[in-house]
Amino acid sequence: DAGITQSPRHKVTETGTPVTLRCHQTENHRYMYWYRQDPGHGLRLIHYSYGVKDTDKGEVSDGYSVSRSKTEDFLLTLESATSSQTSVYFCAISESATGPYEQYFGPGTRLTVT
Amino acid sequence: AQSVTQPDIHITVSEGASLELRCNYSYGATPYLFWYVQSPGQGLQLLLKYFSGDTLVQGIKGFEAEFKRSQSSFNLRKPSVHWSDAAEYFCAVGRSGAGSYQLTFGKGTKLSVIP
Repeated sequence: DAGITQSPRHKVTETGTPVTLRCHQTENHRYMYWYRQDPGHGLRLIHYSYGVKDTDKGEVSDGYSVSRSKTEDFLLTLESATSSQTSVYFCAISESATGPYEQYFGPGTRLTVT
Repeated sequence: AQSVTQPDIHITVSEGASLELRCNYSYGATPYLFWYVQSPGQGLQLLLKYFSGDTLVQGIKGFEAEFKRSQSSFNLRKPSVHWSDAAEYFCAVGRSGAGSYQLTFGKGTKLSVIP
């Protein structure tokens, strides 16, 4: 299994509070991604990173920001959480040298916004 | 823009029966195609992938998939299902984007297995 951890694994927070989710990898892969998974929607890309300090928006980026100051860490921040951001969040990594489109997923973070 | 359709939201099969999960994609160029499996409460695990070459690809856990360009399909098959195969299955198509490689996922097919 790819060395990907996510923290926290579960979080309950109140509407309007800031939340930061962390993805940590030990594979030294270049690309990192944040997805959200909701019933009936599959996985949707929030933001991605193609290197340290290089990030871009995905399909559902509104209300989210990201940062990547080190190769191994990719942070997802909800500046002011809303109930619509209740979801399961997955981090993924990939490395073009071994297969550009293969992505390996972390275990997920279940976030509940009350 | 690319898209992926998994027509079946939920499929139930008996243990030992054969399985086929459907996936249709829309993409303007040669697609890179994937199947992932997700067990309850877990992350996604890569089952198999198609990049080029032989259109029948073998994956882990006894799964295979066949790429049919004329039908824009990449259906997943298994000859004999085991109870442990009960999970949700996602088809995905990959493309090169602005500075990265991105996957677009279908909405998933949930597989239930009757003992």
